[in-house]
Amino acid sequence: EVQLVESGGGLIKPGGSLRLSCAASGFTFINVWMTWVRQAPGKGLEWLGRVKGRAHGGTTDYAESVRGRFTISRDDSKNMVFLQMDSLKSEDTAVYYCSRDLHYWGQGTLVTVSS
Amino acid sequence: QAVVTQEPSLTVSPGGTVTLTCGSSIGAVTSDQYPCWFQRKPGQAPRTLIYDTNNKLSWTPARFSGSLLGGKGALTLSGAQPEDEAEYYCLLSYSDVRVFGGGTKLTVL
Repeated sequence: EVQLVESGGGLIKPGGSLRLSCAASGFTFINVWMTWVRQAPGKGLEWLGRVKGRAHGGTTDYAESVRGRFTISRDDSKNMVFLQMDSLKSEDTAVYYCSRDLHYWGQGTLVTVSS
Repeated sequence: QAVVTQEPSLTVSPGGTVTLTCGSSIGAVTSDQYPCWFQRKPGQAPRTLIYDTNNKLSWTPARFSGSLLGGKGALTLSGAQPEDEAEYYCLLSYSDVRVFGGGTKLTVL
């Protein structure tokens, strides 16, 4: 069974950094493309970025809104993907989801950026 | 960045048929944009219904179908059920970036 479990969310002050993790299980991780998506309170879904599988070079792509502040990485030895978020703003407050291939989804982790 | 447009809200009668659309500010939506459709209910993770225009996942109810219609991506629900009341989001690919639409709140009434 495919399982994705996000962690690392919490309360952080504006300007701070946070690293979210997504632990994957139930499938062969190395070549799947992993995506991060968020939903801010009262807003719609927002695609943040993705990391391709090893067969596609493990390269990353980002939404314009977070490019330069957010970094996605993966550790294939641990079946994990990460979202490093820097220079956080109040508008980054959201539930953050990881997704495998945009087919399977985790339950999300809440990030609150507030002083 | 491109803007993806969806109807803000739609209403369908139980047993009825409704089509949700997904437009692009850049031009006609094509299969090369790999339209995807997601269902979102309060307190739940998104659920993928359709990928690559018209492909279903094993859990996608048969009453949902995807297509291209009039230059837009389309999600058709035939035989609406009360449990289909939810928000629906489309997602389009623009080269290496993907963009969600603003979502359609579907009411089954």
